[in-house]
Amino acid sequence: AQTVTQSQPEMSVQEAETVTLSCTYDTSESDYYLFWYKQPPSRQMILVIRQEAYKQQNATENRFSVNFQKAAKSFSLKISDSQLGDAAMYFCAYRRNTDKLIFGTGTRLQVFP
Amino acid sequence: SAVISQKPSRDICQRGTSLTIQCQVDSQVTMMFWYRQQPGQSLTLIATANQGSEATYESGFVIDKFPISRPNLTFSTLTVSNMSPEDSSIYLCSVEGTARSTEAFFGQGTRLTVV
Repeated sequence: AQTVTQSQPEMSVQEAETVTLSCTYDTSESDYYLFWYKQPPSRQMILVIRQEAYKQQNATENRFSVNFQKAAKSFSLKISDSQLGDAAMYFCAYRRNTDKLIFGTGTRLQVFP
Repeated sequence: SAVISQKPSRDICQRGTSLTIQCQVDSQVTMMFWYRQQPGQSLTLIATANQGSEATYESGFVIDKFPISRPNLTFSTLTVSNMSPEDSSIYLCSVEGTARSTEAFFGQGTRLTVV
């Protein structure tokens, strides 16, 4: 069965600095999708970035980028120029095709001024 | 993106009672899902709401406890029945397969406290 592991329950970063959140997953599939979701105190899950496994190029969305290492089954999220509004729970998620999303346990990110 | 309205946003309920949570989407969607997020935990899929037929439940969740309706392509309800304090959680509606995207979008969640 596929699993998603986030080994950092909490992380902190100073405003304007860079932070990297880790995620590893386990799958025997070659074609799948990976996601990072942000859940602020408002509770709504917001898609931050997605990566298709067949793409070698790492996805980037403004200040957010990923380091996708398919062989190592690693999918880390880098947040550059951190802002106070980035403070939230971050969930890594995996999906094979149209199967259900499988979420990691989350990393709580604190941003200090 | 899809705009999802989930109601109520929070409620405090007596044990033994039931609560129905509504999820309304601003456009037709292919898939609708219900998740539970227990305090400080990740999201766990309860079931897939199927339009016009019975929901598909994940292991550990049963229809008698979590009846789900989906009368059309924009609306679904989840009922938490015969509640106990262990049902205190955040319940989230999620949709996929809009006309513009295949991404998963989430409602703002319902924070349920059972006393």
